[in-house]
Amino acid sequence: AQKVTQAQTEISVVEKEDVTLDCVYETRDTTYYLFWYKQPPSGELVFLIRRNSFDEQNEISGRYSWNFQKSTSSFNFTITASQVVDSAVYFCALSEARSGGYQKVTFGTGTKLQVIP
Amino acid sequence: EPEVTQTPSHQVTQMGQEVILRCVPISNHLYFYWYRQILGQKVEFLVSFYNNEISEKSEIFDDQFSVERPDGSNFTLKIRSTKLEDSAMYFCASRGLNTGELFFGEGSRLTVL
Repeated sequence: AQKVTQAQTEISVVEKEDVTLDCVYETRDTTYYLFWYKQPPSGELVFLIRRNSFDEQNEISGRYSWNFQKSTSSFNFTITASQVVDSAVYFCALSEARSGGYQKVTFGTGTKLQVIP
Repeated sequence: EPEVTQTPSHQVTQMGQEVILRCVPISNHLYFYWYRQILGQKVEFLVSFYNNEISEKSEIFDDQFSVERPDGSNFTLKIRSTKLEDSAMYFCASRGLNTGELFFGEGSRLTVL
């Protein structure tokens, strides 16, 4: 069965500090997707990134970067020079393929990030 | 940019009442989902729907829950007789054929008194 672990429940950083959110996953599939979603205080779920299991290239998007390592089953998320607007709950998620193209997405428990001005 | 829309944004109901939460997925998407998030907790999978039938459902999705796609656009979640523990944010999501990520609506907050 698939499982996503986000060991950090809450993190507080001072604005402009860098912060890394950890995500460790378990799956028996060789083909899967990993995601990060942001949930700001307003409550909606905002898609940030998708990575498929065959692509271990790290990705950078502005102040955000992601480090995918299959050897350790980790998909960590780093925010550089954090800002108050980054304060949110961040969810890591795993999707496994099923027959017919359907995929089931399982979420981690989330990491609440508070950026202090 | 196309988006998933959900109504109502907030519903308050008495225990034992029926509730229907509505969702309009992105128009060319084929896979539809309902997730639930009890306040401050994780996002939990309820059910997925494809080709006019349930693909998979979780233990949470018992006989009190049902889903329907009554026309070409709406996707509904019905709770037949609400319980206090059904109070949560309910998220609808949809996914296209060639995309991996789910696109979520803004959620419907259900409060059962």
